[in-house]
Amino acid sequence: EAGVAQSPRYKIIEKRQSVAFWCNPISGHATLYWYQQILGQGPKLLIQFQNNGVVDDSQLPKDRFSAERLKGVDSTLKIQPAKLEDSAVYLCASSLALGLNYGYTFGSGTRLTVV
Amino acid sequence: AQSVTQPDIHITVSEGASLELRCNYSYGATPYLFWYVQSPGQGLQLLLKYFSGDTLVQGIKGFEAEFKRSQSSFNLRKPSVHWSDAAEYFCAVDRTGTASKLTFGTGTRLQVTL
Repeated sequence: EAGVAQSPRYKIIEKRQSVAFWCNPISGHATLYWYQQILGQGPKLLIQFQNNGVVDDSQLPKDRFSAERLKGVDSTLKIQPAKLEDSAVYLCASSLALGLNYGYTFGSGTRLTVV
Repeated sequence: AQSVTQPDIHITVSEGASLELRCNYSYGATPYLFWYVQSPGQGLQLLLKYFSGDTLVQGIKGFEAEFKRSQSSFNLRKPSVHWSDAAEYFCAVDRTGTASKLTFGTGTRLQVTL
């Protein structure tokens, strides 16, 4: 089966610019996650979708970050405007469903550098 | 609040030597614990997980981990390390009991010398 696809792999932008990341989960996976991984830290959950609904966005900086999963398949994460501290790897993950027996599959991530 | 501590930022071992990576958790209820590995430029791959039952858990690539409730630990071990094991290793705890909201430690970078 194909894995979780993310694009672009790398992005360099200037602060105050906008950027968008795209994720296509494994076919049939209802649950989709966006994580932010700052250098030297573990990944931190930003937002969780179940189909096209948001389950948890409590750690998403909503003044500048937004995410959508309109048809319950692929998802877009946007930052507008970007700050220097947003430099990180943005990981997308998906799972078949909620539950302990359903593991995550992570994509390779998008590395964002804000200069 | 739930948290995960990985006290070792960087570990170097010789190929063929044994390995133990430490993980301590702080969690009020029954913990659901995971170990992930991340190779450079790659996403995270699940090595193993503990939900209940036998406290010694076997994973992929020859890794195992032992859950010790009395020590709040979930250390990862491998009897003989291969050069391809060089990567970053993350311990994580589930916050909800549904494996849906993982809290990760800061990671341990493993270097393997030949």
